[in-house]
Amino acid sequence: TQLLEQSPQFLSIQEGENLTVYCNSSSVFSSLQWYRQEPGEGPVLLVTVVTGGEVKKLKRLTFQFGDARKDSSLHITAAQPGDTGLYLCAGHRNDYKLSFGAGTTVTVRA
Amino acid sequence: DTEVTQTPKHLVMGMTNKKSLKCEQHMGHRAMYWYKQKAKKPPELMFVYSYEKLSINESVPSRFSPECPNSSLLNLHLHALQPEDSALYLCASSQDSPAPYNSPLHFGNGTRLTVT
Repeated sequence: TQLLEQSPQFLSIQEGENLTVYCNSSSVFSSLQWYRQEPGEGPVLLVTVVTGGEVKKLKRLTFQFGDARKDSSLHITAAQPGDTGLYLCAGHRNDYKLSFGAGTTVTVRA
Repeated sequence: DTEVTQTPKHLVMGMTNKKSLKCEQHMGHRAMYWYKQKAKKPPELMFVYSYEKLSINESVPSRFSPECPNSSLLNLHLHALQPEDSALYLCASSQDSPAPYNSPLHFGNGTRLTVT
């Protein structure tokens, strides 16, 4: 059983469309991180959210941390083919271990 | 370019071979990690080194043997692997020893291992 549930598992959209990826848990996390992994590469950190209710923007990407610190979302506006990749949410509870969600494979078609 | 360098990029080995994966970082990070990743799956933690000492072993079989010669280097020695061990092996580092929220991971690009 995954501690962090990501949805959807796969997402295929046309260039210019918007998309949202969700990361949910029944546990409280001290922080959540979002990574993007492209084929043949390691995951790259996009953002860390720490405070409940926090919203962070990174160009066309908007990240939100739920008020109760149990969930997070990633919204991409006007997606581009370069946004294609595996998006992973990951969270720390109060221990050492970074728990990863199962990932969302995003494909943006030109 | 990633600041965590892994070699080799690809490795094919037989079940009786002994090989090693190498990882190097020069960011002054004090925690280093080995992860295993299967296709389209999230990384799975194997080992954590903190200040050059093994702090976490996630019940990994003894055919995988980690080593941290110094604060910049991390090795993973492989012996008598099985075909199901074929995967992408990722090295990562973080600034601090494992801590709740102030230590994002910096990943290398991995070694694609195939066991025949």
